[in-house]
Amino acid sequence: TQLLEQSPQFLSIQEGENLTVYCNSSSVFSSLQWYRQEPGEGPVLLVTVVTGGEVKKLKRLTFQFGDARKDSSLHITAAQPGDTGLYLCAWWMDSSYKLIFGSGTRLLVRP
Amino acid sequence: GAVVSQHPSRVICKSGTSVKIECRSLDFQATTMFWYRQFPKQSLMLMATSNEGSKATYEQGVEKDKFLINHASLTLSTLTVTSAHPEDSSFYICSAIGISYNEQFFGPGTRLTVL
Repeated sequence: TQLLEQSPQFLSIQEGENLTVYCNSSSVFSSLQWYRQEPGEGPVLLVTVVTGGEVKKLKRLTFQFGDARKDSSLHITAAQPGDTGLYLCAWWMDSSYKLIFGSGTRLLVRP
Repeated sequence: GAVVSQHPSRVICKSGTSVKIECRSLDFQATTMFWYRQFPKQSLMLMATSNEGSKATYEQGVEKDKFLINHASLTLSTLTVTSAHPEDSSFYICSAIGISYNEQFFGPGTRLTVL
């Protein structure tokens, strides 16, 4: 079973539409990270959320950390083809000194 | 930001041969390097963690004799896939954490195809 479940697994939308990707767990996290990975490349860190209820914005991307720190969401406004990629949430396990990735959401934005 | 490189970017080999993949931190010293494996349309799965000068720590289910990891210096870690088989075909990604950083920096990945 995946510690971090993401939904949806795959999303195909038209340019200009809005979308939300979810990252859920039954565990409480000290922080969560979001990455974007383009085909044939390594993932790139987008943001780290630390405080329950925290909202961070990165241009058209809005990240939210749940109040109970068990879930997070990524909302993209007016999606563009350049947003196409694999979006991954991840948890840094301090106790084990390793990063655990969620199941991933593949986003395709059609022109 | 810090840069991590991987070499080669893609490799095709015959079944039964061994393949070595290099991961380098170009502009910082990496105290710890990680190796991940990613199958098509799936997420990244951690294979092992390596610290300079010590043996790698492998995740459950990862064969240490098949995936040999050597972290010989603070800027270089290598992953050798021994006696590769078609089921070892995958995208292998490394990452590194530096002394002065609190985040991981990922390499561009290596696409391994075993015929």
